[in-house]
Amino acid sequence: EVQLLESGGGLVQPGGSLRLSCASSGFDFSNFGMSWVRQAPGKGLEWLSGITGSGTVTYYADSVKGRFRISRDNSKNTLYLQVNSLRTDDSAVYYCAKRLNGDHDVFDIWGQGTLVSVSS
Amino acid sequence: DIQMTQSPSTLSASVGDRVSITCRASQSISSWLAWYQQKPGKAPKLLIYKASSLQSGVPSRFSGSGSGTEFTLTISSLQPDDFATYYCQHYNSDSRTFGQGTKLEIK
Repeated sequence: EVQLLESGGGLVQPGGSLRLSCASSGFDFSNFGMSWVRQAPGKGLEWLSGITGSGTVTYYADSVKGRFRISRDNSKNTLYLQVNSLRTDDSAVYYCAKRLNGDHDVFDIWGQGTLVSVSS
Repeated sequence: DIQMTQSPSTLSASVGDRVSITCRASQSISSWLAWYQQKPGKAPKLLIYKASSLQSGVPSRFSGSGSGTEFTLTISSLQPDDFATYYCQHYNSDSRTFGQGTKLEIK
């Protein structure tokens, strides 16, 4: 079964950092681009960052550029998101998502999400 | 940045109804549009990609149409399991933008 499982969320103070992880199984992880998408409570979906299968190309939404860093370890079938300088408006459920195929960021598999709460 | 606007924001309908949700792009996006369904507390589920291609395993009552700036998701006969929030998403090499969502409610 194709599966993604996020972890690493939690309660953090403004200005703090977290490292989110997304463990994959059931597919050839290194062959697929991956992304992170978040959803603030009661709000819509916001794409944050993506990375190619090899990990050589990364790209970010303007809202998180310079604060968040995406990476992957293909030997561990795991995707990461380092989130720094957290603000209260970064509070959200963070999802990892797998590209359907090819070079386009349409997502056929999603994790269950990990909740990040930023509060003093 | 390309903006995606969905309408309506909320839609009330009954089981068996045919319903349509519209997604408009602020500029032409060819057919680079996907539709997702999301239920409370769950991750989004891909329904349609490239405007009209049905994702594997998705019931055929779901269909997508459109190109350029105007797109439609149609559910031909609503089933109880279809009451959820639906999002469109534009995707290309430079942009990945979701619409604000349409909540489909039971009338």
